[in-house]
Amino acid sequence: AQSVTQPDIHITVSEGASLELRCNYSYGATPYLFWYVQSPGQGLQLLLKYFSGDTLVQGIKGFEAEFKRSQSSFNLRKPSVHWSDAAEYFCAVGGNQGGKLIFGQGTELSVKP
Amino acid sequence: GAVVSQHPSWVICKSGTSVKIECRSLDFQATTMFWYRQFPKQSLMLMATSNEGSKATYEQGVEKDKFLINHASLTLSTLTVTSAHPEDSSFYICSAREMRGTQYFGPGTRLTVL
Repeated sequence: AQSVTQPDIHITVSEGASLELRCNYSYGATPYLFWYVQSPGQGLQLLLKYFSGDTLVQGIKGFEAEFKRSQSSFNLRKPSVHWSDAAEYFCAVGGNQGGKLIFGQGTELSVKP
Repeated sequence: GAVVSQHPSWVICKSGTSVKIECRSLDFQATTMFWYRQFPKQSLMLMATSNEGSKATYEQGVEKDKFLINHASLTLSTLTVTSAHPEDSSFYICSAREMRGTQYFGPGTRLTVL
């Protein structure tokens, strides 16, 4: 079955600390992987994506993610978190055909001063 | 680039009325758009896939006669909630898929049915 698991429902980090949000997927074909961020009452903003090539991808706002095929993971990282990073983060997987995305349940990030 | 708009951003209507939500890709053409529903503190639930010039494909459990989708052009898809009831109150989000496969999302529409 195709699925995305974000094991952490809620994470709290101190401002300036490093961050890693976990994402594991199960997908039968070559996966297209995405991380989106959602602020309250807003739509989703694309942070970064992986289609092929270099397994370490850089995104906006200083985020990066690493695709590890052997672990079926696509974890999101940021070396130093800012208070404005507090939001809901969604990992998603899809294939080129059809374009349907499967979303994880999301991880809520809180940032403490 | 890759901006998707939705209108209205919020709407309040009486039970039994119909509400139309527009989704537009502003700077790219989208042969495929998607409609999602999101409940508080939950992930997105795909309702339907909208293809330009053809009928929408609905996910299992979504009533196609209640949620009418029209994708008349490469930049516009509409979702009409017909005979809305309080249980239809939700946050509706659309996305538009660009050629290489990335979905860009609209800002969402908050629907409240009284």
